[in-house]
Amino acid sequence: DAMVIQNPRYQVTQFGKPVTLSCSQTLNHNVMYWYQQKSSQAPKLLFHYYDKDFNNEADTPDNFQSRRPNTSFCFLDIRSPGLGDAAMYLCATSRGQMGFSNQPQHFGDGTRLSIL
Amino acid sequence: DQQVKQNSPSLSVQEGRISILNCDYTNSMFDYFLWYKKYPAEGPTFLISISSIKDKNEDGRFTVFLNKSAKHLSLHIVPSQPGDSAVYFCAASGESNYQLIWGAGTKLIIKP
Repeated sequence: DAMVIQNPRYQVTQFGKPVTLSCSQTLNHNVMYWYQQKSSQAPKLLFHYYDKDFNNEADTPDNFQSRRPNTSFCFLDIRSPGLGDAAMYLCATSRGQMGFSNQPQHFGDGTRLSIL
Repeated sequence: DQQVKQNSPSLSVQEGRISILNCDYTNSMFDYFLWYKKYPAEGPTFLISISSIKDKNEDGRFTVFLNKSAKHLSLHIVPSQPGDSAVYFCAASGESNYQLIWGAGTKLIIKP
């Protein structure tokens, strides 16, 4: 089945120690997203890639970076995690056409990040 | 300012009956609306969507209704099943913007 896969499902890191979360997809979608979700709140968009074009949300902290080496993979790097960064991180994909965004986003099961 | 609102944090429905989840929005530029279901420790699962050129879309037990003049949409689940117990998020997008604007979610509990 085509899907969005996130690894690892659970990640524990130390305060200030860089961490990388990964996402891969077999849907061949050209748009990939990273969200942060805390407790039962709505997901908060951090950034998205339209093909290779990176789009950062205005309120995404500089501590969060992303890489997309190819269509299938996308990484979220947290350079110096703080206690407030403990959350579920969700990757999503969608099929995008320029000027037409009416396609559903498909989510992975997320990586739950804990900060010690 | 919340552009997408789900005013009911939770809803309890008897198994076999109809579940109706509501969502209101304020931005008239939104032209695409989606419903997602989320189980604990999993990512949101896309359920059904509707474009603003329609007022109804059906997929099996799930129907979404859109009332543009009232800026209101609703998700009907009939008949409700125990596996439908989850948090349901309404989301909207528009203006060729890839960002989804999410509601706060409604926790649906199906009672046996």
